[in-house]
Amino acid sequence: NAGVTQTPKFQVLKTGQSMTLQCAQDMNHEYMSWYRQDPGMGLRLIHYSVGAGITDQGEVPNGYNVSRSTTEDFPLRLLSAAPSQTSVYFCASSYMATLNTEAFFGQGTRLTVV
Amino acid sequence: TQLLEQSPQFLSIQEGENLTVYCNSSSVFSSLQWYRQEPGEGPVLLVTVVTGGEVKKLKRLTFQFGDARKDSSLHITAAQPGDTGLYLCAGSNAGGTSYGKLTFGQGTILTVHP
Repeated sequence: NAGVTQTPKFQVLKTGQSMTLQCAQDMNHEYMSWYRQDPGMGLRLIHYSVGAGITDQGEVPNGYNVSRSTTEDFPLRLLSAAPSQTSVYFCASSYMATLNTEAFFGQGTRLTVV
Repeated sequence: TQLLEQSPQFLSIQEGENLTVYCNSSSVFSSLQWYRQEPGEGPVLLVTVVTGGEVKKLKRLTFQFGDARKDSSLHITAAQPGDTGLYLCAGSNAGGTSYGKLTFGQGTILTVHP
C-alpha cells in the first residue's frame, strides 16, 4: 500500500530557481491538496483539486502553481523560489463524498531556499 | 476565513499525568478532526467528530465536540512517552467542494517524560 508518495524528501534551492514537488496517490481519491507547515502555524492550504482538470487556490497560493492532468498526480510548482518559501510541504488526498472523510498525507518535502 | 485556535502550543508533562488540548473557533464546522504527527512524517487521523456534543474514546484518548460545533477538546489520561508528538485539530464543512478542505489549528507539541 503506497498511499500518498511525495518526492523529493529534501531539497535546497537558490533564490530564483524553480522546481516541481511531486505527489502521487494510488487510492483513486478525487480530492488532493498541498499544504505548507511552518512552526507555530499548523498546516496552511496552498492549492487543492477536486478532480482531474480542476484546481483552485487555497489560503496561501502566491508563488505556487498546480495542475491535475490525472487522478493520481498533483504536482506543485515553485516558479521563482524565495526564502519565504522555506517550509515543509505536505500533499494530501481524500474521498470527497462524506463528512467523515479522512485525509491521507505524504511524508512531506523539506524545502530550504537560500 | 475560518480560524481554529489551538491551545496550549506546548505541553511538557511526566508519564502518568492527564492533559487536555483545546481547539476553539468563532465559526461553526460540520466536522472536526484530530491528527497526530510524528517527526519526519505526515499527520495521521485519530478521530472525526460530526455531531454537536459528541464524545469519542480511543483507548486513553477522549475527544469531544462542542454542542455548538465551534470547539473541541482532546483529553489524554495517564499519558505515556509514546503519546509524544504534534497534535493537530482540523475543521471542515459539508457541501460542494468543501468536503476535503481542512482548516488546521496551530498544533500542540506534547512531550511526555518517562
